Amino acid sequence: GESVGLHLPTLSVQEGDNSIINCAYSNSASDYFIWYKQESGKGPQFIIDIRSNMDKRQGQRVTVLLNKTVKHLSLQIAATQPGDSAVYFCAESGPSGYSTLTFGKGTMLLVSP
Amino acid sequence: EAGVAQSPRYKIIEKRQSVAFWCNPISGHATLYWYQQILGQGPKLLIQFQNNGVVDDSQLPKDRFSAERLKGVDSTLKIQPAKLEDSAVYLCASSLAWTQFYNEQFFGPGTRLTVL
Repeated sequence: GESVGLHLPTLSVQEGDNSIINCAYSNSASDYFIWYKQESGKGPQFIIDIRSNMDKRQGQRVTVLLNKTVKHLSLQIAATQPGDSAVYFCAESGPSGYSTLTFGKGTMLLVSP
Repeated sequence: EAGVAQSPRYKIIEKRQSVAFWCNPISGHATLYWYQQILGQGPKLLIQFQNNGVVDDSQLPKDRFSAERLKGVDSTLKIQPAKLEDSAVYLCASSLAWTQFYNEQFFGPGTRLTVL
């Protein structure tokens, strides 16, 4: 299948390691931040979101951290698995939910068995 | 629950030809989005519909791109005439509503367009 990961920053990890993917966002007025996972040949899939009044949110094996001071967002994946291999995008929306999504540059995560 | 359906999955055309893409959103979703994703980049919104009305088409190249959602359900995106730089994946997404609170967008698999 085709890959949208060409020319993207790449993070290579071993299975079982923890992964951290970073994102710098542009609009200090953004209210919602979302992480998407995109596998080859598929559309983006929602992973987790966080609102601007929070600095941390946890899901199943994933944690999103938001640092509004430096406009930085990170996605932590615990015990990374080969199935986590994909391109990860952060997206921002705001200042209200009526605003459209703006996607950042993606990061390709490669997990070796 | 069925996801967002798109067709065709792949299309190869020559420059200056026309092409059309079709999208059927998740049943009951009022809001529909078309995105363009150039290789190696994140998706860029082209147009957003709320039911059959256009909410945002500020990034749609209107001299060559058009989209419609006549009955407020499925939608078509057309390019006429195509240029080499239109080569990309065209993604359709839908969400339950468009409100002041963020509504999760669900994406289809996309149509990969190659313009030769």
